[in-house]
Amino acid sequence: GENVEQHPSTLSVQEGDSAVIKCTYSDSASNYFPWYKQELGKRPQLIIDIRSNVGEKKDQRIAVTLNKTAKHFSLHITETQPEDSAVYFCAAKDRSGGYQKVTFGTGTKLQVIP
Amino acid sequence: GAVVSQHPSWVICKSGTSVKIECRSLDFQATTMFWYRQFPKQSLMLMATSNEGSKATYEQGVEKDKFLINHASLTLSTLTVTSAHPEDSSFYICSATRFAGRSYNEQFFGPGTRLTVL
Repeated sequence: GENVEQHPSTLSVQEGDSAVIKCTYSDSASNYFPWYKQELGKRPQLIIDIRSNVGEKKDQRIAVTLNKTAKHFSLHITETQPEDSAVYFCAAKDRSGGYQKVTFGTGTKLQVIP
Repeated sequence: GAVVSQHPSWVICKSGTSVKIECRSLDFQATTMFWYRQFPKQSLMLMATSNEGSKATYEQGVEKDKFLINHASLTLSTLTVTSAHPEDSSFYICSATRFAGRSYNEQFFGPGTRLTVL
């Protein structure tokens, strides 16, 4: 099955600075990489995703890059704001066993300091 | 669209009792539903994958006789924690995927159920 590693586990940035979270995956067959934001006690919310046929995707202050050869992908948040503070999870679509399940990374707790 | 609900949102039970959690896709038919468990400050750990009309596929280390999953329809899946113990206390989250005719089916998460076993 898929194994997803995520770094760093915690990240503190000053408001307005950029934040970068990195993930690696093990299964070269994975072709879908979503990123989720989870606030305390709430459900994960999809914030951006990227498919294996593109290398970069941007949505306002959020961007994701994918390097298929190296099997790693990153989340970039620019001009961070206090409301960006949350736990972020990367994930990779795993098709082992015939079921398309998503394997999550270990999470990054992002704190944006006003 | 694409709303997933869970019931109850929180439950407290005594050790040895069973608890049922429902996961519903409110405005779409879910081809597959997933059940996750999340301990404090940890990631979501997939417990099982559930397809309507067939037996659930459990992840390694998850006891299928303890965590009973029933996927009775395309809009409802239930997770029953049998003979619950304090170590089963956790945040249980379901998600549902909607068939979109391609392989990148987005997962929609329920709001989660906080289970506390005394």
